[in-house]
Amino acid sequence: EFVLTQSPGTLSLSPGERAPLSCRASQTIDSNYLAWYQHKPGQPPRLLIYGASKRVSGIPDRFSGSGSGTDFTLTISRLEPEDFAVYYCQRYGSSPPITFGQGTRLEIK
Amino acid sequence: EVQLAESGGGLVQPGGSLRLSCAASGFSFSAYNMNWVRQAPGKGLEWVASISSSSNTIYYADSVKGRFTISRDNANNSLYLEMNSLRAEDTAVYYCARPPAPLPPTFTWYCDLWGRGTLVTVSS
Repeated sequence: EFVLTQSPGTLSLSPGERAPLSCRASQTIDSNYLAWYQHKPGQPPRLLIYGASKRVSGIPDRFSGSGSGTDFTLTISRLEPEDFAVYYCQRYGSSPPITFGQGTRLEIK
Repeated sequence: EVQLAESGGGLVQPGGSLRLSCAASGFSFSAYNMNWVRQAPGKGLEWVASISSSSNTIYYADSVKGRFTISRDNANNSLYLEMNSLRAEDTAVYYCARPPAPLPPTFTWYCDLWGRGTLVTVSS
């Protein structure tokens, strides 16, 4: 069974700090088919990154994605107050299943 | 405006049934594969089901296989999720979601368009 493990489960930081969020896959992800979402209460998930490192149009450049194979990272370079949310990684591909990580909660310290 | 709007959620008893709808507008609905994704209270996102643009290819998560049925009506720009034999663990906000472009039927992709969700509560 394919699993995505995100760490840490909760990250407590202050505005202006740098936030590295990890997503580790149990098997190699082909073609870097890895996406990142931001999710706030009462709102739908917001796509940030696809293809491991491609930023969606309109997403601030403080958000960046990196990694390949089984290890991926979403980095928020300088946290803004609106960045505190839950972040999910997701594997996608030419066949199912779609798999999400369990999420990292980014909270204000 | 390009948007998705879910409806049909509510309170249902264990073992009961419910049908969710998702109304699409502002884009060529019939060209896109579509998905249902859910989030249980205090839990993460979970993929539920996917359907190709022409309904020829359908996939389900193991947790709902045999109980849920995904379908669509391209003439009316609508996506559906028929949920039977509901369990307490099916309690969640259910989102419909669309990938960024038309894709081959088997592709289960990331999604850039999501509805606001509809809450399903399974409880006696």
